[in-house]
Amino acid sequence: DAGITQSPRYKITETGRQVTLMCHQTWSHSYMFWYRQDLGHGLRLIYYSAAADITDKGEVPDGYVVSRSKTENFPLTLESATRSQTSVYFCASSPQAPGLINGSPLHFGNGTRLTVT
Amino acid sequence: SQQGEEDPQALSIQEGENATMNCSYKTSINNLQWYRQNSGRGLVHLILIRSNEREKHSGRLRVTLDTSKKSSSLLITASRAADTASYFCSSGYNKLIFGAGTRLAVHP
Repeated sequence: DAGITQSPRYKITETGRQVTLMCHQTWSHSYMFWYRQDLGHGLRLIYYSAAADITDKGEVPDGYVVSRSKTENFPLTLESATRSQTSVYFCASSPQAPGLINGSPLHFGNGTRLTVT
Repeated sequence: SQQGEEDPQALSIQEGENATMNCSYKTSINNLQWYRQNSGRGLVHLILIRSNEREKHSGRLRVTLDTSKKSSSLLITASRAADTASYFCSSGYNKLIFGAGTRLAVHP
């Protein structure tokens, strides 16, 4: 099916472990984004990518690593998970820069709920 | 820091009433976007208003934009219980920055 899918849907991991959240989109959108959502903070941008092999930091990048070797995939890795990284993580994609005068909206996945114990 | 800030944080109304949510932003924009999020789901795009537009309609949604005040409002007319959700405004260029959202509860 076309769309944007995130996996896993739920993940429990221990402090200090490395964990990778996956994001896959079938539209060949250029732009992809990772957000985290916590109560009281809304959505905060972690990293984004304008194209394959081009990534840039968002508002809260510390403790996270991203890569984008293929247009359709944008994995997010927590190198050494901490309890403060317990959150719901959303991936999104857009065909072009969303802030252009005729910009495109973001298409969101359904999120990964990550718990770090 | 967040680019968009929604107000109020929470809103509770009866079915059939109108709901108004406000958004303020900090820097100049080309467009401002509104999204909706149902509990446990990803955000869904509702409407995009360009910086050269003052008002835009989509069904029961009406969005206004005042670039001189760096503010926008989202009006949902004749609300329904199914409109219960969180609503977010966002703006940016390469990256969209979201506010904390307005939680809307519509009671039957």
